[in-house]
Amino acid sequence: ETGVTQTPRHLVMGMTNKKSLKCEQHLGHNAMYWYKQSAKKPLELMFVYNFKEQTENNSVPSRFSPECPNSSHLFLHLHTLQPEDSALYLCASSLRTDSSYEQYFGPGTRLTVT
Amino acid sequence: GQNIDQPTEMTATEGAIVQINCTYQTSGFNGLFWYQQHAGEAPTFLSYNVLDGLEEKGRFSSFLSRSKGYSYLLLKELQMKDSASYLCAVRDSNYQLIWGAGTKLIIKP
Repeated sequence: ETGVTQTPRHLVMGMTNKKSLKCEQHLGHNAMYWYKQSAKKPLELMFVYNFKEQTENNSVPSRFSPECPNSSHLFLHLHTLQPEDSALYLCASSLRTDSSYEQYFGPGTRLTVT
Repeated sequence: GQNIDQPTEMTATEGAIVQINCTYQTSGFNGLFWYQQHAGEAPTFLSYNVLDGLEEKGRFSSFLSRSKGYSYLLLKELQMKDSASYLCAVRDSNYQLIWGAGTKLIIKP
């Protein structure tokens, strides 16, 4: 596989469920990101990892919990979500965070919270 | 606060030229990116500007004026496959990307 992959592509979960989103990049990058994309709104940066260390947490509710076991893998653990958390969750990677290098995005996970 | 403005939607004709504008107010500037996003797909990188002027890449060109906080993406010889959303993003002084809401471009035959 090449590029950035995400699983699952679609997820429907109840407000009391626990689920995890997975992201994997095959580009040899050192930085990985989680974004939330809602209709007609700008991409919202949620978490940033640089060389496996979390460097940004943009006031994200604790019901979202990231995990980065190595530079190639990123997880987003979800629990007790709210209906307003329904959105497209995008993972991205780049060579580093402090550079002009572009970010490469995965196809996203379409999350619906019922 | 930090802000990126771009039109919500634009319509153009196949074969024509369209210019998508982006204005920004950010705390510092470390480059401006344009991405293309087809419906249901991942954003893909189109261009990067850090110095004033025009960057040309095939049918697509991107312009930057740092003094005006302004950029545009110019698409020539429009094709139906260019129907997509175009996202403008600015890297601020902390190297964080600030995103616009995107411009949905509709191409008509």
